[in-house]
Amino acid sequence: DAGVTQSPTHLIKTRGQQVTLRCSPKSGHDTVSWYQQALGQGPQFIFQYYEEEERQRGNFPDRFSGHQFPNYSSELNVNALLLGDSALYLCASSLYGGITEAFFGQGTRLTVV
Amino acid sequence: KQEVTQIPAALSVPEGENLVLNCSFTDSAIYNLQWFRQDPGKGLTSLLLIQSSQREQTSGRLNASLDKSSGRSTLYIAASQPGDSATYLCAFISSGSARQLTFGSGTQLTVLP
Repeated sequence: DAGVTQSPTHLIKTRGQQVTLRCSPKSGHDTVSWYQQALGQGPQFIFQYYEEEERQRGNFPDRFSGHQFPNYSSELNVNALLLGDSALYLCASSLYGGITEAFFGQGTRLTVV
Repeated sequence: KQEVTQIPAALSVPEGENLVLNCSFTDSAIYNLQWFRQDPGKGLTSLLLIQSSQREQTSGRLNASLDKSSGRSTLYIAASQPGDSATYLCAFISSGSARQLTFGSGTQLTVLP
């Protein structure tokens, strides 16, 4: 089992550009959640996808959007990048309902210049 | 707003010591609580999951306890080793409608050889 995989590992973008991050969940899991982690802080919830629909959303602007595919993999899209979007973006997979352990990928380090 | 506080923010101990990391939360109606380890610039590794009906979980040298009535969880690490050096994060899922993990800012642990 490869666990949760994210791509790319690192990314550098220019302010105003758009970026897409990808996540494949752990085998057997059906729910993908995305988190943003600024340096020195705990991760902040962005949104959660289950059955290809956004089920929960944190306090993030509409510039942040996502998608879940039939194979449960997911994408996070961020438009009109700001310097403040620079962070580690983490993907978590779990079974829907929050009963089971959440497993995280290694993250994508996004730097906006 | 639900909050999670982790004390201390940083801790440095000599190898072999037993230590306790603390996590307090404002929402007593939690569904489960999970402890994670994060190495610098990396993703999160799940250590222990405690369901709301449980009071503690053990894995090797790690023991986590949960006291919902007081809003506290502790992670006990026995016989610490330099390889235990990392940031330790606690997070909970509320038993309300939200299914996201709410994180503390973590405790940065350094175990000195």
